[in-house]
Amino acid sequence: KAGVTQTPRYLIKTRGQQVTLSCSPISGHRSVSWYQQTPGQGLQFLFEYFSETQRNKGNFPGRFSGRQFSNSRSEMNVSTLELGDSALYLCASSLGPRDGQDTQYFGPGTRLTVL
Amino acid sequence: GNSVTQMEGPVTLSEEAFLTINCTYTATGYPSLFWYVQYPGEGLQLLLKATKADDKGSNKGFEATYRKETTSFHLEKGSVQVSDSAVYFCALISSGSARQLTFGSGTQLTVLP
Repeated sequence: KAGVTQTPRYLIKTRGQQVTLSCSPISGHRSVSWYQQTPGQGLQFLFEYFSETQRNKGNFPGRFSGRQFSNSRSEMNVSTLELGDSALYLCASSLGPRDGQDTQYFGPGTRLTVL
Repeated sequence: GNSVTQMEGPVTLSEEAFLTINCTYTATGYPSLFWYVQYPGEGLQLLLKATKADDKGSNKGFEATYRKETTSFHLEKGSVQVSDSAVYFCALISSGSARQLTFGSGTQLTVLP
């Protein structure tokens, strides 16, 4: 079974631009979560989606948004990019949000560099 | 809120040495506990997990036991290899409605031949 895939793997943007990252979960997985990884802050939770609905959101500004499609694929968008948004963005999928279904499997990440 | 405290790194060991990476947690209810590993330039790989007290997770020679009385989930391996060099993250998901992973700060392990 194919793992979680993320595209693109690398992105370079300039301040003020916007960016969209894509995630395809493992087949059969219906929950998708996003995390930001930086050297200073470590791994921080961004959002969780299940059945096209955002169930939880982390402590990030409104410039960070996301969505999930009917095939469970997910996208996240960052508008008005800032230098501090440079990070590895990781997507993870799980079967669902219930006990016994919530083990998360990660993709390779998208490395975003903001200049 | 939930939190995970991991042993500070970096940790440097010789091949075939014994490894322990300490992890303690604070959480409401009965969390599930995980160890993930990250190799350079890659995402996180699930190494092992435990979902209830006294469960032992194991994989690839690594083990960790869910100790509720000490709120710990220490990672151990009896004989490390150079290929085990990576960053190791302890994490939890609490038993509430939010299914977000809370991570420790990570421990860099380097194994020398």
